[in-house]
Amino acid sequence: GQQVMQIPQYQHVQEGEDFTTYCNSSTTLSNIQWYKQRPGGHPVFLIQLVKSGEVKKQKRLTFQFGEAKKNSSLHITATQTTDVGTYFCAGPLLRGRGGSNYKLTFGKGTLLTVNP
Amino acid sequence: DSGVTQTPKHLITATGQRVTLRCSPRSGDLSVYWYQQSLDQGLQFLIQYYNGEERAKGNILERFSAQQFPDLHSELNLSSLELGDSALYFCASSVYREAGWSPLHFGNGTRLTVT
Repeated sequence: GQQVMQIPQYQHVQEGEDFTTYCNSSTTLSNIQWYKQRPGGHPVFLIQLVKSGEVKKQKRLTFQFGEAKKNSSLHITATQTTDVGTYFCAGPLLRGRGGSNYKLTFGKGTLLTVNP
Repeated sequence: DSGVTQTPKHLITATGQRVTLRCSPRSGDLSVYWYQQSLDQGLQFLIQYYNGEERAKGNILERFSAQQFPDLHSELNLSSLELGDSALYFCASSVYREAGWSPLHFGNGTRLTVT
């Protein structure tokens, strides 16, 4: 079945350092989504990328979708303690029988910790 | 606040027991999803309902079942509980529009501890 893999599993940085997490899918994706889960919290949607080669920015966060639409990355510039959490990528598995079935497969996430 | 309500927040029960987790989706969302989150497995998709009907299934155990009611709230039933079922169970909701599916909005989760 479809798999979504993320690396690294953990990343510890000093505040002010950059951080990148990578996501790879075993199949071509129609879109890739990124979610953030703070410690003790629930996943919260960050962004969705749809087009091949798409790059989107949210302040210090840069998201990229690969040309083949099978990989993606999230880069955080100059991390802050508020960036702490687990970052998940997720890709949809769509079946051919219509639009009402929708399985969003999540990677295992990258846990980011930031030392102040 | 995501608008998705899950109850209870915590549940502690013994092996062999049965529990029911409840979820109310965000207003206007017709689809409800259940995910299991454990430390080593990340977010595992269990099942999706759309407007009362089961639409997609993940690696959901036979001991687990779910349903979505006419008012769109959903329940996840876990029976013959085992220690390994201890996890955080999330409900999420979304809606399908012309442009495609909206992102998932997650509830705060139910932490299940099986002793």
